[in-house]
Amino acid sequence: EVQLQQSGAELGKPGTSVKLSCKVSGYNIRSTYMHWVNQRPGKGLEWIGRIDPANGNTIYAEKFKSKATLTADTSSNTAYMQLSQLKSDDTAIYFCAMEEQGGFAYWGQGTLVTVSS
Amino acid sequence: DTVLTQSPALAVSLGQRVTISCKASESVSSSSYSYMHWYQQKPGQQPKLLIYHASNLESGVPARFSGSGSGTDFTLNIDPVEADDIATYFCQQSWNDPYTFGAGTKLELK
Repeated sequence: EVQLQQSGAELGKPGTSVKLSCKVSGYNIRSTYMHWVNQRPGKGLEWIGRIDPANGNTIYAEKFKSKATLTADTSSNTAYMQLSQLKSDDTAIYFCAMEEQGGFAYWGQGTLVTVSS
Repeated sequence: DTVLTQSPALAVSLGQRVTISCKASESVSSSSYSYMHWYQQKPGQQPKLLIYHASNLESGVPARFSGSGSGTDFTLNIDPVEADDIATYFCQQSWNDPYTFGAGTKLELK
């Protein structure tokens, strides 16, 4: 059974960074793309970017190019996303998701990031 | 970026057929596949993939869900609607970078 287990909720101060993790079990992440998606309170889904864990290649949505940094550790089968220069409108739930046949067949449970001083 | 347009909300009666539409600002289809996917999300949960490549039912998803369309116009059908289907539905394209989602259609009971 494929499972994506995300790290716990984060409380970050404005201007600081947080690093979220997404550990995959039941599937080798070298064989897929790992994506990150956010959802602001009461809003829809927003694609942040993806990483190919096999080679580290990344693609970001334009608005997240200076906000998010995606990495992956194939030895631990874990994907990471660092969010930098936190602002109040970065407060959201962040999901990792694994692509299969084009759609996101598997999702983590989400990590709530709250930005507050 | 490819903009996906969905109606914000639909009021439905249990047992009826409902059609949720998603219109893309440019084609998301190749000669072989349409790169449009549908998700269901309930409050407090992660999204769940229902349909991939426009019309393929994800494993474990009830057969009352179906999808169709190509190019720029896509639909998700639920027939018949059950109480468990009251949720928000998102379309998503994976043909063009960046991947994009529609704003979601919230099903509500009449």
